[in-house]
Amino acid sequence: EAGVAQSPRYKIIEKRQSVAFWCNPISGHATLYWYQQILGQGPKLLIQFQNNGVVDDSQLPKDRFSAERLKGVDSTLKIQPAKLEDSAVYLCASSRTGWTRDYNEQFFGPGTRLTVL
Amino acid sequence: SQKIEQNSEALNIQEGKTATLTCNYTNYSPAYLQWYRQDPGRGPVFLLLIRENEKEKRKERLKVTFDTTLKQSLFHITASQPADSATYLCALDTGSARQLTFGSGTQLTVLP
Repeated sequence: EAGVAQSPRYKIIEKRQSVAFWCNPISGHATLYWYQQILGQGPKLLIQFQNNGVVDDSQLPKDRFSAERLKGVDSTLKIQPAKLEDSAVYLCASSRTGWTRDYNEQFFGPGTRLTVL
Repeated sequence: SQKIEQNSEALNIQEGKTATLTCNYTNYSPAYLQWYRQDPGRGPVFLLLIRENEKEKRKERLKVTFDTTLKQSLFHITASQPADSATYLCALDTGSARQLTFGSGTQLTVLP
């Protein structure tokens, strides 16, 4: 099966600019996640979707970050305006079921490396 | 406060030896714990999952233990190879919706 696709792979912007990332999860996966991974740290969950509904966005900086999942499939994550501290790798992941008692492994995409100058 | 801590230092071992990585957590009560491998420039890849009622899980050269009393998981790679060199992440389910919280990872280098 095809893996999780993300684009772009790299993005360099200046602070206060906006940027958008795209993710296409594995076909049939109901749950989609966006993570932020700062160099030397583990991934930090930003938002979790179950189909096209938001399950958890408690760690999403909502004053500048937004995300949507179109028709329960593809998703976009946007940052507007970007700050220097947003420099990180943004990872998208998907899993088969979701927030049930099933113990799902997550499948990650290659990530988008964002540099904010 | 809630914390997940992995080996603070990078780990270098000789080929053929057993690598042991540690994951300690405080103020969490996870129903399960997962281990992932991450290579430079790539997303994490799932390796193993162990449930709270399981003491040990094995997969080929990998072994994971889970001690909910000590709040610790150990991850072992036996007969290590240079190809095992990577960063290894532990992750706990920490939310009502089975959200994962990751540790910061341990960078393992297997020397030939």
